[in-house]
Amino acid sequence: GDSVTQMEGPVTLSEEAFLTINCTYTATGYPSLFWYVQYPGEGLQLLLKATKADDKGSNKGFEATYRKETTSFHLEKGSVQVSDSAVYFCALFNQAGTALIFGKGTTLSVSS
Amino acid sequence: NAGVTQTPKFQVLKTGQSMTLQCAQDMNHNSMYWYRQDPGMGLRLIYYSASEGTTDKGEVPNGYNVSRLNKREFSLRLESAAPSQTSVYFCASSRRRQGLEAFFGQGTRLTVV
Repeated sequence: GDSVTQMEGPVTLSEEAFLTINCTYTATGYPSLFWYVQYPGEGLQLLLKATKADDKGSNKGFEATYRKETTSFHLEKGSVQVSDSAVYFCALFNQAGTALIFGKGTTLSVSS
Repeated sequence: NAGVTQTPKFQVLKTGQSMTLQCAQDMNHNSMYWYRQDPGMGLRLIYYSASEGTTDKGEVPNGYNVSRLNKREFSLRLESAAPSQTSVYFCASSRRRQGLEAFFGQGTRLTVV
């Protein structure tokens, strides 16, 4: 079945460092891909999305490109801030559109 | 602009007790979902409902029942709570179309002792 694999955390960075969180997926067809973010004590919020191959989603300085050939959707940010500390989830909507499938989440901790 | 509202936010149950988690959305979405979040496991789908009157099992349905009361409301019931059901539960909703995001509630933190 459909699945998402993302890098294990936690990821600890200093402010202004470059961030990459890897995400790969297994799915039939062309699923839509998402990154969600969860701040402490809160629910999940959509960070960015891409709906077809080679699409680039971007928001708040974060970017991710839908790579069909490598089945990947890696999250990047050029310069992280302390306020980016959160748990990041990669997810896909299955082809039938019946459910979001999540990776296990990556905890990011940024120190000043 | 409420979005997805879950109640309660916190609950402690004794083993064997029952309870219902409530979820309502005001975005006229067709699809609704219940997930549980456990450390190191990400979010796992318990049940989903593609439209009013229909429900389907997700990855971890055992020990749970759901009701899609109407288009707005989707409840999750634990008939006989077990410590393994200690978790954070999230309700979500979306339009039933590829590429459209799901919106999440704030979560219910449930502890079963």
